[in-house]
Amino acid sequence: DAKTTQPTSMDCAEGRAANLPCNHSTISGNEYVYWYRQIHSQGPQYIIHGLKNNETNEMASLIITEDRKSSTLILPHATLRDTAVYYCIVMIPYNNNDMRFGAGTRLTVKP
Amino acid sequence: GAGVSQSPSNKVTEKGKDVELRCDPISGHTALYWYRQSLGQGLEFLIYFQGNSAPDKSGLPSDRFSAERTGGSVSTLTIQRTQQEDSAVYLCASSLGGLVYEQYFGPGTRLTVT
Repeated sequence: DAKTTQPTSMDCAEGRAANLPCNHSTISGNEYVYWYRQIHSQGPQYIIHGLKNNETNEMASLIITEDRKSSTLILPHATLRDTAVYYCIVMIPYNNNDMRFGAGTRLTVKP
Repeated sequence: GAGVSQSPSNKVTEKGKDVELRCDPISGHTALYWYRQSLGQGLEFLIYFQGNSAPDKSGLPSDRFSAERTGGSVSTLTIQRTQQEDSAVYLCASSLGGLVYEQYFGPGTRLTVT
């Protein structure tokens, strides 16, 4: 069973912020939170990762709660091309035993 | 049951040599992925096989990289004329299908190019 739980699906209006939640209540102190997305018929694409501080890059922002039991991926201005399945995973970098993607959240951006 | 296996677990090679990395997916899994993880980086997608469809090669970093999947099962990732920047952990994953199925990862192959 995956170490994370995410809603099965979400909708977002084009141009608005998409906020994707993830629960990882059993995360250990040396596990990072990673986000990936998969657009139909393509492989997963790395988005962002973090340990405990909030992170931002050109694609998204990652907000991690102080207790690290949950996080939120924010796409600030969603476009139609952001429609994809978004996966949240926790892992220790370079220690990949039992690492799995969960089912993810299917985000649909609507015009 | 058996998980995803990869071999070798570690490979040290000299710059310019070719290497082959092997992945045995979970039996019955139709989707197979290759990733790599360089020091300080997230997982980088390389290539994706789904059933008998043409693979998605969009993540391969250069034409020195190639992969094949024989009989819909075992896959081999080949790196020709290795460079030092190829040093990384190469991960293989398989899943029952494409989207929304859990991907099960193998232990990886740590490649060091000297």
